[in-house]
Amino acid sequence: AQSVTQLGSHVSVSEGALVLLRCNYSSSVPPYLFWYVQYPNQGLQLLLKYTTGATLVKGINGFEAEFKKSETSFHLTKPSAHMSDAAEYFCAVSDRPSGTYKYIFGTGTRLKVLA
Amino acid sequence: ETGVTQTPRHLVMGMTNKKSLKCEQHLGHNAMYWYKQSAKKPLELMFVYSLEERVENNSVPSRFSPECPNSSHLFLHLHTLQPEDSALYLCASSQDGGGASGSPLHFGNGTRLTVT
Repeated sequence: AQSVTQLGSHVSVSEGALVLLRCNYSSSVPPYLFWYVQYPNQGLQLLLKYTTGATLVKGINGFEAEFKKSETSFHLTKPSAHMSDAAEYFCAVSDRPSGTYKYIFGTGTRLKVLA
Repeated sequence: ETGVTQTPRHLVMGMTNKKSLKCEQHLGHNAMYWYKQSAKKPLELMFVYSLEERVENNSVPSRFSPECPNSSHLFLHLHTLQPEDSALYLCASSQDGGGASGSPLHFGNGTRLTVT
């Protein structure tokens, strides 16, 4: 069965510091992996996704993530945090090509950026 | 208007009321979803429609009743809800089989439901 674990429900970084949000998954088949961001009073917005090919994926707002099969990880990083990055971040996994419509989401990591 | 639009944004209802949530997608997608987001819990998939046919129903109580009249519109009809049903209800859409094809979900801004 698929699952997603996000380590740390809350992460605080200083403005300009490296952002690292951790995501580990389990899947019986090669997965599709996603990171979403949710700002207050909004829905989830896709940051980036991994399907096939290059394991380092670049997304919007300067974020990137690396798929590491051996570590079953898909950590999200950004070299320099901005105040506007404060939000909740969700990692998600979906099996392929099972033909299902199930995306499994982690419980989220709330990022706080300190001035 | 683009993307996924949900109305109303906020809803307060008593346990004996009947109300409906509406979702409309302008992306030409062929699958639509209802998710429930509660504090400190993972997103819970409620229902999935593909080409207007329900393909997922994750043991949701019958007081929640979905309706998908066409590929652009999705409703969630609510009746005799309980206080624990208070949550953010998110609608989403995707293209070409959703998770099985790697197509991401596109979310609306949600309806914040409070049951009194």
